[in-house]
Amino acid sequence: QKEVEQDPGPLSVPEGAIVSLNCTYSNSAFQYFMWYRQYSRKGPELLMYTYSSGNKEDGRFTAQVDKSSKYISLFIRDSQPSDSATYLCAMDYGQNFVFGPGTRLSVLP
Amino acid sequence: NAGVTQTPKFQVLKTGQSMTLQCAQDMNHNSMYWYRQDPGMGLRLIYYSASEGTTDKGEVPNGYNVSRLNKREFSLRLESAAPSQTSVYFCASNWRPDTQYFGPGTRLTVL
Repeated sequence: QKEVEQDPGPLSVPEGAIVSLNCTYSNSAFQYFMWYRQYSRKGPELLMYTYSSGNKEDGRFTAQVDKSSKYISLFIRDSQPSDSATYLCAMDYGQNFVFGPGTRLSVLP
Repeated sequence: NAGVTQTPKFQVLKTGQSMTLQCAQDMNHNSMYWYRQDPGMGLRLIYYSASEGTTDKGEVPNGYNVSRLNKREFSLRLESAAPSQTSVYFCASNWRPDTQYFGPGTRLTVL
């Protein structure tokens, strides 16, 4: 079993839809939870981070962590074509960063 | 600020050749990292450096060596390249555990 599991997609949604991206993990030592966005042929860029169970909101993005279920989610409201990218979840304890394989999202105009 | 820069952007090697990938950051971060990204595998940590003068192995260190030249620079060396090392290589840096800043990547092909 991989430490971090993520559905690779691809996921296609119409513009304006609510998008839900998810990851599960097996290592209860993970303390920090992050979401990165990666456009084609670019480096990943940090979208959101959190280190506690619950929700964290930033504009159209909401990150949700459920440590009891070892499950994290990223919700995108009012999705835009510019949101089309690969979304990577990442987790960390100490210097041990572990990334999910990424979900490729396409938002269709 | 340039952030994290990497050179070269692209490289083609023949099996057995050596090369060094260069990374530099201008954000005064203590920690720096090298990852490789392969389709369906996500980012996998090769080596990291928690501070100047220290380096540690990550998940996939075999076939690679690193040097933390100073606080700004962290290089990755392939001594004898193999086709299995064909990948996109990313350098990253950070100063807090909940975020990393990534460079634009180096696309390496080993024939």
